[in-house]
Amino acid sequence: EPEVTQTPSHQVTQMGQEVILRCVPISNHLYFYWYRQILGQKVEFLVSFYNNEISEKSEIFDDQFSVERPDGSNFTLKIRSTKLEDSAMYFCASSEAGARATDTQYFGPGTRLTVL
Amino acid sequence: GNSVTQMEGPVTLSEEAFLTINCTYTATGYPSLFWYVQYPGEGLQLLLKATKADDKGSNKGFEATYRKETTSFHLEKGSVQVSDSAVYFCALNSGYSTLTFGKGTMLLVSP
Repeated sequence: EPEVTQTPSHQVTQMGQEVILRCVPISNHLYFYWYRQILGQKVEFLVSFYNNEISEKSEIFDDQFSVERPDGSNFTLKIRSTKLEDSAMYFCASSEAGARATDTQYFGPGTRLTVL
Repeated sequence: GNSVTQMEGPVTLSEEAFLTINCTYTATGYPSLFWYVQYPGEGLQLLLKATKADDKGSNKGFEATYRKETTSFHLEKGSVQVSDSAVYFCALNSGYSTLTFGKGTMLLVSP
């Protein structure tokens, strides 16, 4: 069964450094998402991406964050200058379609980001 | 805005016990409702979903019914197994391509 993959599984970085989290969505899916979960808190939406542009973003997704689909298979989340509070589990997801409430999003296993 | 409230965990049960995990929601419009499960060390997997009032989603012995009148989507299973130990997330999508999640409920099943 096709699945969303993410690399690395765990990333440790120093405060102020740039990190890039990578995701390979399911191949025929058109919508891509990033979510994060700070330890002990809810899973929170960051951004959705369709047709090579951001379709929605949350208040969390400020100028420090960016997303890109650099080729036909990868989807990346970049954090330009990491802060301690960016430490979280980051989940990538994809869906076949995306603008409807009924569409199912399929999640990857997550990347645990630790900012020291 | 949208929100999902789940019962606090952990829920600790013996094998073959009946499971209920409560979930209530607040949403604009007509949301779809989802239960995701996260097994240790793995990502979020869709367990079941319901897209309109009175729909029942079911999978792997788990069921949940979309109750618009009580804004609820409680997860139930008649007889849990040790392998069901995981964190369960209730979520909704009201049509803006974003999922709103509850905090998750950890289920621990002992033999």
